[in-house]
Formats: sequence, C-alpha cells, structure tokens
Amino acid sequence: SQQGEEDPQALSIQEGENATMNCSYKTSINNLQWYRQNSGRGLVHLILIRSNEREKHSGRLRVTLDTSKKSSSLLITASRAADTASYFCATDSTSGGSYIPTFGRGTSLIVHP
Amino acid sequence: KAGVTQTPRYLIKTRGQQVTLSCSPISGHRSVSWYQQTPGQGLQFLFEYFSETQRNKGNFPGRFSGRQFSNSRSEMNVSTLELGDSALYLCASSSGQGVHGYTFGSGTRLTVV
Repeated sequence: SQQGEEDPQALSIQEGENATMNCSYKTSINNLQWYRQNSGRGLVHLILIRSNEREKHSGRLRVTLDTSKKSSSLLITASRAADTASYFCATDSTSGGSYIPTFGRGTSLIVHP
Repeated sequence: KAGVTQTPRYLIKTRGQQVTLSCSPISGHRSVSWYQQTPGQGLQFLFEYFSETQRNKGNFPGRFSGRQFSNSRSEMNVSTLELGDSALYLCASSSGQGVHGYTFGSGTRLTVV
C-alpha cells in the first residue's frame, strides 16, 4: 500500500513564525488527512481534504492539495509553543469497503518560545 | 462524549509471553483499527474490525490477532512476544462508513524484555 512521505523530517522555528510541512505520495488518492501527535500519545485528527478540493482552512491551519503533483502541504500560521508535536499525513487505500489511512513517518515540529 | 480508551497504558512483558490489549471505541462507532508505532517503521496498520468481523488486515505475522465484541470493544493479542514487538500500539475508532477522520486512543506502550 502506498505511504505518504512528509518533508522535512524535522523543523525548528520560533514562536510566531509560520510552519510548513509537505507530504508527497505515489498513487491516486480519494482523500488525504493530516494528524498531530504529541510525544508518546495518540494521534489527533486535524483536517481531511478530498481529492476534488484544493485548499481547506481550519483556524490557524491551511492545507493544500495538488493532485497533479501528488503532494499536499500543511501550513500552521503564527505558531505557538503548544504546536510542538509530530505531524503526519495519511493517504487512504480502499479495501474491504473501508478507507484505511496509511501514514507517513511524520514531521517533528519544535516551536521555541 | 467519552473518547477512545485503551488499557493498559503501559506494559512490560518478557520474551515468549503473550499479551492482550484492550480498546473501547467512541460510543456508536463500529470500526476499530489497530496500529503499531515504532521509531524505525513508523505507523503500521495491523487490522480493522467492523461489526465483530475483521474487515482488513495488514502485513503482520499470525502472532498478532484481534477480535471485536458485540459492544464494539476490541482486543488485540500478541503471542510469543519478541523484542521487536516493543512499540506503542494505537487503536483508532470510526463509524466505519464513508470517509472520515479517525479518533485515536492514547495508546498502550508495550516493552518486551
């Protein structure tokens, strides 16, 4: 099954700056999701973007999807120390009537106060 | 509404033993998926249960098994534990129909010594 690949692997910024993370994938998708994980905890769903959508916003989050380039980006504006976490993109594969998210290895974001 | 509950939170087992992990999904959710997360492999899909039936399975050996009860609670079992089974095991709950984000539990940290 395909897997999204996040880039960069790690990102270190100062509070107030914007953080941009990218995700590339190999085959066609129906949807792409972004999740966040605080150290050693479960993942929290941030946003889902469908293949016919190009951009979605949720608070300080902005996600874009370019299906021609098979890539997505997650922008966090005006970052805060509390945004420090790992961020994962998940592409779906359809199997057995359900959509199974397949996760990349994540981008580790550190926001310095 | 209550979130996804995984028990126990931490577990230390000896090589060769077996272990059972439990996951209670969000009320009304019928799908439970299990993932293994390690630093080297990232998040790997184990299996998905929907209405007490295994609907999807990842590429894990037969030592990894699961089941789902009529109240949608799920258990996963790992027999003949190996050192490499040390990981964070995450369970994700969803309605199981259509496209949606998953709600994850906080995970069970398994250490095999």
